[in-house]
Amino acid sequence: DVVMTQSPLSLPVTLGQPASISCRSSQSLVYSDGNIYLHWFQQRPGQSPRRLIYKVSNRDSGVPDRFSGSGSGTDFTLKISRVEAEDVGVYYCMQGTHWPPTFGQGTKVEIK
Amino acid sequence: EVQLVESGGGLVQPGGSLRLSCAASGFTFSSYWMAWVRQAPGKGLEWVANIKQDGSEKYYVDSVKGRFTISRDNAKNSLYLQMNSLRAEDTAVYYCARDVLKGACDYWGQGTLVTVSS
Repeated sequence: DVVMTQSPLSLPVTLGQPASISCRSSQSLVYSDGNIYLHWFQQRPGQSPRRLIYKVSNRDSGVPDRFSGSGSGTDFTLKISRVEAEDVGVYYCMQGTHWPPTFGQGTKVEIK
Repeated sequence: EVQLVESGGGLVQPGGSLRLSCAASGFTFSSYWMAWVRQAPGKGLEWVANIKQDGSEKYYVDSVKGRFTISRDNAKNSLYLQMNSLRAEDTAVYYCARDVLKGACDYWGQGTLVTVSS
C-alpha cells in the first residue's frame, strides 16, 4: 500500500498566522491519465470529515480561499494563509491514485 | 441537499455479524460510486470498500476482504455493509461517503459506531 506521511502531526498556530502541512507519498501519485488523485480533508472536533481540496489544488465550493493546496509527484502541501478559530481540527491528506486509497496519519491544528 | 444517514451500528461480540445501512437523499444515488470509510476511536481514517454505480464492481481493503460485503439498492437509495467474523480491531465509527473521483469523497454521513467486544 502507498504510505502517506504527514508532518507535523501537531501544529499549534497563532490566530491570523499562516500554517503549512506537508504530505509525502511513498510512490508517485501520477495516475495513468496524467492526473494526481491527492485530496485533503478537514475533520473538526466531533464532526465527520469534510473535503477541502481535490486533485492537489482544487478547492471545494464553500471552502475559504485562505486554504490552498499544491505539490506534485510525491510531495504535497496544504497551506492556510491566516488561521482562524474555525480551522481547529485534524487535517488528512489522502491518495486515490493507487488501490487501496490511503490516508495520512492526520495533522492536528490547534490555536496557541 | 445531499444527505447520507448511517444506521445499524452497535455492540457485537467477536466473531459476530452486523449490517450497516446508509440512506442517501438529495442526489441521484444510482449515478455515483459509494464508499465506506472507518475511524477507530482516537485514530485516523481508513478506507474500507467502495462500489460502482450499478454494483458490478466492488473493492475491499485487504483487512476486510472475505469478511465484509458492500452492496447497494438503487431503488431504495441505500448502501450497505455486511460485516461478518468481526474482530476487536474492526471497532470504529463507520462513515458512508459519496466517492466522486478516486477517493475524493465530497459528502459524508455522520457515522455509526461499531464496537466489537465480549
